[in-house]
Amino acid sequence: AQSVTQPDIHITVSEGASLELRCNYSYGATPYLFWYVQSPGQGLQLLLKYFSGDTLVQGIKGFEAEFKRSQSSFNLRKPSVHWSDAAEYFCAGGGSYQLTFGKGTKLSVIP
Amino acid sequence: GAVVSQHPSWVICKSGTSVKIECRSLDFQATTMFWYRQFPKQSLMLMATSNEGSKATYEQGVEKDKFLINHASLTLSTLTVTSAHPEDSSFYICSARVGFRTDDQPQHFGDGTRLSIL
Repeated sequence: AQSVTQPDIHITVSEGASLELRCNYSYGATPYLFWYVQSPGQGLQLLLKYFSGDTLVQGIKGFEAEFKRSQSSFNLRKPSVHWSDAAEYFCAGGGSYQLTFGKGTKLSVIP
Repeated sequence: GAVVSQHPSWVICKSGTSVKIECRSLDFQATTMFWYRQFPKQSLMLMATSNEGSKATYEQGVEKDKFLINHASLTLSTLTVTSAHPEDSSFYICSARVGFRTDDQPQHFGDGTRLSIL
């Protein structure tokens, strides 16, 4: 069965520091992969997606993610975190029709 | 673009009543809509998938008679929680997508509905 794992429940970084949020997937074929961000009490906003092609994907708000087949990973990165990036981040993957979401990583940003 | 509106954002009602939640795609036609449930500090759990004009496909363990889903048009889907009880209290989120397949377009999410049953 397909699964998406986010090993880190909560990460705290200082404003201006770099960020990497981990995501691992388990799927028979190459899945479609996404990162979403959720602010408290709100829905999810798409940050970026990977379908095929270039394994380094650029998204909105300065985020990027790299698909590494050998490691079954799709980690999200940002070179310099802003206080407004504090939120819950969800990695999602799936096949043709549905998505499976990871349990999320809460990001806290220290001024 | 790709705005999904969900209404109401918050509802409180008495046990035993039915509650309807609307999900609208404002600037695109949503071939497929999804309904998720999110428990506090947890991930999204897919409840059902609905394609316009077809019956919804429910995930295992989701009671179709309790959670009625209607997707009568390409811009509107509704979730009705029938005879709601306190254990149905949760955050419900809808999403909408152009096309039937994940690689057609990504899912775009509404802002969610917080349902509290007293």
